[in-house]
Amino acid sequence: GAVVSQHPSRVICKSGTSVKIECRSLDFQATTMFWYRQFPKQSLMLMATSNEGSKATYEQGVEKDKFLINHASLTLSTLTVTSAHPEFSSFYICCASFGDSYNEQFFGPGTRLTVL
Amino acid sequence: KNEVEQSPQNLTAQEGEFITINCSYSVGISALHWLQQHPGGGIVSLFMLSSGKKKHGRLIATINIQEKHSSLHITASHPRDSAVYICAVGTSGSRLTFGEGTQLTVNP
Repeated sequence: GAVVSQHPSRVICKSGTSVKIECRSLDFQATTMFWYRQFPKQSLMLMATSNEGSKATYEQGVEKDKFLINHASLTLSTLTVTSAHPEFSSFYICCASFGDSYNEQFFGPGTRLTVL
Repeated sequence: KNEVEQSPQNLTAQEGEFITINCSYSVGISALHWLQQHPGGGIVSLFMLSSGKKKHGRLIATINIQEKHSSLHITASHPRDSAVYICAVGTSGSRLTFGEGTQLTVNP
C-alpha cells in the first residue's frame, strides 16, 4: 500500500522558535496533502488542505501566518510552525491523497510537537 | 449531535473475544474509513469502504449505505489490537469528518 512518512517524529522546541515538519509520499504522487492536528483525548482536526503548486486552504480558526504550509512537489509537503507557542504543542499528522478521487487518503505516522 | 458517532467509546475485552465497533453517520458520504491509532499516536488506515464488506486478516469492515452505518469487527482479539479505532467519513470533495474514536483494550 501507499506509504507516507513524516519527519521528525518528535520535536521539542523553545517558545518563539520555528519548527519545520516534513511529509513525504514515498511511492506515489500526492496531488493533495491534508494537515491535521490532534490534541490529547481529542479527535483529529483539519488545519489546512494543500494542492501541489498552489497556496494552502486553511480552516477557520487556523492562523495561516503561524502555520506555513508548502507543497512544492508531488512527494513533499512541509508544515512550518513559526514563532512556536506552548499552546501549539500537539500531534501533527499529514495525510496524502492522489488522483481525482479523494477517497484514497493515506496518513503519515505523525509528529509530536512540544513547545516549552 | 456529531455527524459521525461511534460506539462504544471504551471497550475492554479478553483475548480471543469477538469485538464489534459501530459507526453511524448523518451525512451523505463518498466513502468511509476505519483507522487505527496506537498509543504512540501513529495512524494506520485499515479500510476504506463505499459499499459492502471488506476483510483483512482478522479484521472485517461492513457498511450499510441505506442505514448510514458501518461496523468494524475483530475476530480472535489479541492484546496487540489494543488501540483507538476511528471512523471517518469522506463527504463533499476531500473533507474527512472523524468520529471521536473507540478505545479498545484487550487483556491477556
